[in-house]
Amino acid sequence: DIQMTQSPSSLSASVGDRVTITCRASQNINNYLAWFQQKPGKAPRSLIYESYSLHSGVPSRFSGSGFGTDFTLTISSLQPEDFATYYCQQYNTYPLTFGGGTNVEIK
Amino acid sequence: EVQLVESGGGLIQPGRSLRLSCATSGFNFVEYAMNWFRQAPGMGLEWVGFIRSKAYGGTTNYAASVKGRFTIARDDSESTAYLQMNDLQFEDTAVYYCTRGSPRGGSGIDFWGQGTLVTVSS
Repeated sequence: DIQMTQSPSSLSASVGDRVTITCRASQNINNYLAWFQQKPGKAPRSLIYESYSLHSGVPSRFSGSGFGTDFTLTISSLQPEDFATYYCQQYNTYPLTFGGGTNVEIK
Repeated sequence: EVQLVESGGGLIQPGRSLRLSCATSGFNFVEYAMNWFRQAPGMGLEWVGFIRSKAYGGTTNYAASVKGRFTIARDDSESTAYLQMNDLQFEDTAVYYCTRGSPRGGSGIDFWGQGTLVTVSS
């Protein structure tokens, strides 16, 4: 199975900060990488697919990049509604696998 | 508006069976694969499996942890997907989510249901 490693596992940031989360795959996954946002007690929300493509309705302050094994999710200016846990997921190879999550907290 | 609504969760004893439903509306169900994911309490997300659209044979793929015990089915006439869970174990306790995805399965996951909680306990 492909292992997905996210870092950091948690971070504290202020409104307006630029935040970057990294995700590393244990082998090449091309650009078959998605990002999800989850708030406590809620279902995940799909943010990005194919490494950098935003789903409809996702604010442009979210961006993704990367190819192969190293990927990043960037929030250019953190907003109050962005405090949540973020997960990366590869879909290059079965089984689909997720990173362990990054909890973005208010500083 | 795309909607996915899971139902059928609850408290169940180990070794018993349970069937979850995912009723959908707001899109052409037949064109999409349907995926199931789960999240154990306080833990991260885990893929359970998917069923492809009929155009891709309606075939299924499962995580090793559930293969042989869980079965995903679909009723295109009812725009509903199902997750039949047999021989449930304590470690199957989780919130189960259904999602819509690209017809080939495994990718293009965009919309999620609200989830339904399955608790396996004696």
